[in-house]
Amino acid sequence: EDQVTQSPEALRLQEGESSSLNCSYTVSGLRGLFWYRQDPGKGPEFLFTLYSAGEEKEKERLKATLTKKESFLHITAPKPEDSATYLCAVQEGAQKLVFGQGTRLTINP
Amino acid sequence: DGGITQSPKYLFRKEGQNVTLSCEQNLNHDAMYWYRQDPGQGLRLIYYSQIVNDFQKGDIAEGYSVSREKKESFPLTVTSAQKNPTAFYLCASSPEGMVGTEAFFGQGTRLTVV
Repeated sequence: EDQVTQSPEALRLQEGESSSLNCSYTVSGLRGLFWYRQDPGKGPEFLFTLYSAGEEKEKERLKATLTKKESFLHITAPKPEDSATYLCAVQEGAQKLVFGQGTRLTINP
Repeated sequence: DGGITQSPKYLFRKEGQNVTLSCEQNLNHDAMYWYRQDPGQGLRLIYYSQIVNDFQKGDIAEGYSVSREKKESFPLTVTSAQKNPTAFYLCASSPEGMVGTEAFFGQGTRLTVV
């Protein structure tokens, strides 16, 4: 069965302090790895899809990278509005996503 | 604007009651999903549907039921058989299952047992 583990569980940074979130996965034949952002009390918002090792995608202060066993979400010079829970998920079969437990990110001004 | 609408935002259930959560989408997506989210845990799949009048159980279907009579609608009923229903429920949709595409999520329904 596919598994997804995110670390750390929570991360607190100062504004402008860059860091990375980790998503480790075990899956037989990766079809896609997804990153979502979730604000408190809201539904997840799609950020990135990665398909193969070595792939990278960027959006504003976020960059997602992928290896054969893990993905990183790099946050460069974060701002308080980047505070959220970041969810990682892998596609299992053709029909569903398997989610990690998320990393709760807090950026202090 | 296209999107997914879940209602109500907050729902309270008494012991032994069945309650139904609404999910409507106007994205013309074929596939729809229900997930449950508990504090400190990832989203877990309850049911999914690829086409009208067809649906499959996910990982935690016990105590839940769904219907898919219209492409736009995928209501979830939380039955009295679900012993621990307090959670945040999320509905999602995608164009053709998950292959190569991301899921779009609604804003969620928070269900509390009183």
